[in-house]
Amino acid sequence: GENVEQHPSTLSVQEGDSAVIKCTYSDSASNYFPWYKQELGKRPQLIIDIRSNVGEKKDQRIAVTLNKTAKHFSLHITETQPEDSAVYFCALPDNYGQNFVFGPGTRLSVLP
Amino acid sequence: DSGVTQTPKHLITATGQRVTLRCSPRSGDLSVYWYQQSLDQGLQFLIQYYNGEERAKGNILERFSAQQFPDLHSELNLSSLELGDSALYFCASSLRGGYGYTFGSGTRLTVV
Repeated sequence: GENVEQHPSTLSVQEGDSAVIKCTYSDSASNYFPWYKQELGKRPQLIIDIRSNVGEKKDQRIAVTLNKTAKHFSLHITETQPEDSAVYFCALPDNYGQNFVFGPGTRLSVLP
Repeated sequence: DSGVTQTPKHLITATGQRVTLRCSPRSGDLSVYWYQQSLDQGLQFLIQYYNGEERAKGNILERFSAQQFPDLHSELNLSSLELGDSALYFCASSLRGGYGYTFGSGTRLTVV
């Protein structure tokens, strides 16, 4: 089955700095790569996604880059703010393309 | 409001008991997914339904069962509850498999 890893597992940055979280996968032939943000005690929310026909997608301070050959995609957050503090999950469709396998999560702390 | 409704928000029950968690998907979505999230853990896929039929099964215990009704709402039944079943249970919906989810706010189950 799909094996999804995230690095790092925890990340602390100073407010205003950039943060990068990498997601690597093993088997997926997926063409769809989402990132979710989960604040403490709340539901995961889709924050950005990318399809394999493009290598990068930006939405204000967040971006996702994809390297399908190397089987990894990364979340980039620039000019971090305290409200960016959360757990971030990448996800890949399972081998049948039906449900998502989530990575273990990266806890981001933005220090004021 | 994400459009995915989960009830109840909180549930406290004793070991050995049975509970039912309910999920109404976002309007137009045919797929419903159930995930379990234990304290400081990732999102573990339990089961998926599509338009009333079971489509995929994950690490769901035999004590747990689910169904999706003709109006597309879904119920997750947890029986013979154990302390280790204490977790956040999320429901998510999508138009069909392999596309971005919308999560509900979750049901926090505490087994005492």
